[in-house]
Order: sequence, then C-alpha cells, then structure tokens
Amino acid sequence: NAGVTQTPKFRVLKTGQSMTLLCAQDMNHEYMYWYRQDPGMGLRLIHYSVGEGTTAKGEVPDGYNVSRLKKQNFLLGLESAAPSQTSVYFCASSYGDRLYEQYFGPGTRLTVT
Amino acid sequence: GESVGLHLPTLSVQEGDNSIINCAYSNSASDYFIWYKQESGKGPQFIIDIRSNMDKRQGQRVTVLLNKTVKHLSLQIAATQPGDSAVYFCAETNTGGSYIPTFGRGTSLIVHP
Repeated sequence: NAGVTQTPKFRVLKTGQSMTLLCAQDMNHEYMYWYRQDPGMGLRLIHYSVGEGTTAKGEVPDGYNVSRLKKQNFLLGLESAAPSQTSVYFCASSYGDRLYEQYFGPGTRLTVT
Repeated sequence: GESVGLHLPTLSVQEGDNSIINCAYSNSASDYFIWYKQESGKGPQFIIDIRSNMDKRQGQRVTVLLNKTVKHLSLQIAATQPGDSAVYFCAETNTGGSYIPTFGRGTSLIVHP
C-alpha cells in the first residue's frame, strides 16, 4: 500500500497564479483532510471531506477550494495565489470511526512570490 | 508544553534517558487526546491516543498520562533513541463537536548520542 500520496512535492507560484494540489489514498478511508503548516505552528485545517462528493470548511478555508469526485482523491485548489499562502500543505485521511487517527502524506512545499 | 509564537519549545535529552513531553489543553469537553510525531521533512505520524475516561495508556516504549484536573497531557518515551528526534504534537478532539482533532504547536525533541 502506498498510503497517502501528494503531488507535487514542491511548487513555486507567482502572485495571482492558480494551481491544484493532488492527494490520493489507497486505504479506503471515508474522511480526507487538507492542512497547512507554517513555521513554528501546528497544523491548521483548511477543508475536509466526509465522503465522495462532500466537502466542508475547516479553520482557514479562505482562498482555497476543494473537490472530492472520487473516494480515493481529494484536490485542493488555489484560484489566485497570494504570498500568505506560502506554506507546507499536508493531506491526510482516516476512517470515519477514528477521526483522530489520521494518516498523512509527505507534504507539498508551496512558495508564492 | 505548547508555545505561543514562532519558536517551538525544545527538549534535549541524552540517548538512553527517558523523555517527557508536556501539553496543556483548555477544553474540558475534549473526548480524545492524541500524540503525533513529525520527523524532519515528513508528514505527522500517529503515535497513541487516550480517551478522556482514562488517565494512563501504554504503548511500545511510550506512555501517555492524562490529568483532567489540571488539563494536562504528557507523553513519556522510555530509553530515548536518536530516531525519536522529531517534533511531537498533541491534539484533542470534540472541540466544537466535529471530532476532527485540533493540533497544538508542537515540541521539538532532540536526542544527543
């Protein structure tokens, strides 16, 4: 099993550009999450999904959109990147009855100049 | 414990010593408390959880203690090894009723050989 994979690993954007981060999991988990991690900070939840076709806002959703068209994939989009979105983005997944036991991907380091 | 600001609290120990990482929480309604380990350049990894109706739980070389009276959580690592060097996050669930964990800012553990 590959677990949780993320694409790309690194990306540099200019202000105003758009991009999509891809997350895939092969554990048949119902729940998927997108977090951002800034230096010296914990993980902050951007958006999450409780199942295929459903998404919900987390703690810091502004400037991001998500989609979950297939159970195994969760996409995070930045429509118009801003320097404040420079961060490391982590995708995670979990079973619905153990939301606290999350499996994380390796992260995507995004720099917006 | 958890920090305010950009600098993570750091715990330095010698290889073979026991480590104790502390965490304070504020929500009396939290149901589960969890510890995650994040090695440099990787995503967080679930270590152990404890439910609020317990005060101690043991895993492989780790013990988590929960003191609900003073709202304090600790992770004890026995015979600390260089591979234990990482940032450790505590997290809690049932904040706002979503059961999705809220992460603290982390403590950096440095193990000296």
